[in-house]
Amino acid sequence: GQQLNQSPQSMFIQEGEDVSMNCTSSSIFNTWLWYKQEPGEGPVLLIALYKAGELTSNGRLTAQFGITRKDSFLNISASIPSDVGIYFCAGPDSNYQLIWGAGTKLIIKP
Amino acid sequence: SAVISQKPSRDICQRGTSLTIQCQVDSQVTMMFWYRQQPGQSLTLIATANQGSEATYESGFVIDKFPISRPNLTFSTLTVSNMSPEDSSIYLCSVDRGLNTEAFFGQGTRLTVV
Repeated sequence: GQQLNQSPQSMFIQEGEDVSMNCTSSSIFNTWLWYKQEPGEGPVLLIALYKAGELTSNGRLTAQFGITRKDSFLNISASIPSDVGIYFCAGPDSNYQLIWGAGTKLIIKP
Repeated sequence: SAVISQKPSRDICQRGTSLTIQCQVDSQVTMMFWYRQQPGQSLTLIATANQGSEATYESGFVIDKFPISRPNLTFSTLTVSNMSPEDSSIYLCSVDRGLNTEAFFGQGTRLTVV
């Protein structure tokens, strides 16, 4: 079945740094979703992408739908402590079931 | 977006017992989804629950172990039956806007089986 490969698995960064993470697949996706999950909470949708090449921002977050429809990236600019959490990419497969990446854990060094 | 309330938020249970998790949505939805998230892992779909019909289970999950109810368009329950320590996970309820895009989640139920 379809799979999403998300990298990196974890990131240790200094406050104020920019962050970049991505998801790739061998299959085409028609939608890319980026979620953030904080401890004790369910995932929260950050950005939804629907068109190849689409670039969408949500505050300091920017995500792009790759032109090949097989990848997407999420950037966070000028990270702050509340950005800590696990970021997931997801997309619906041909049966409209969401496929999830393994997640990128973001840790900010004190 | 939808507001999803899930209860309990956490529980510690004895092995061999069962726990029923409730999920309430603030609007009517056709499909509700139940996920399991094992420690440090991504989300795995357990089943899809439609009102008025039996839930559809994913490979590796069976109705006897994870019975699901969907009595109306705003509510569903998931029961984790005859629990073992391997069932210790976060269980998440989810709804979407249709065609399983833009899924919204409850806060999850953190289950520990001892």
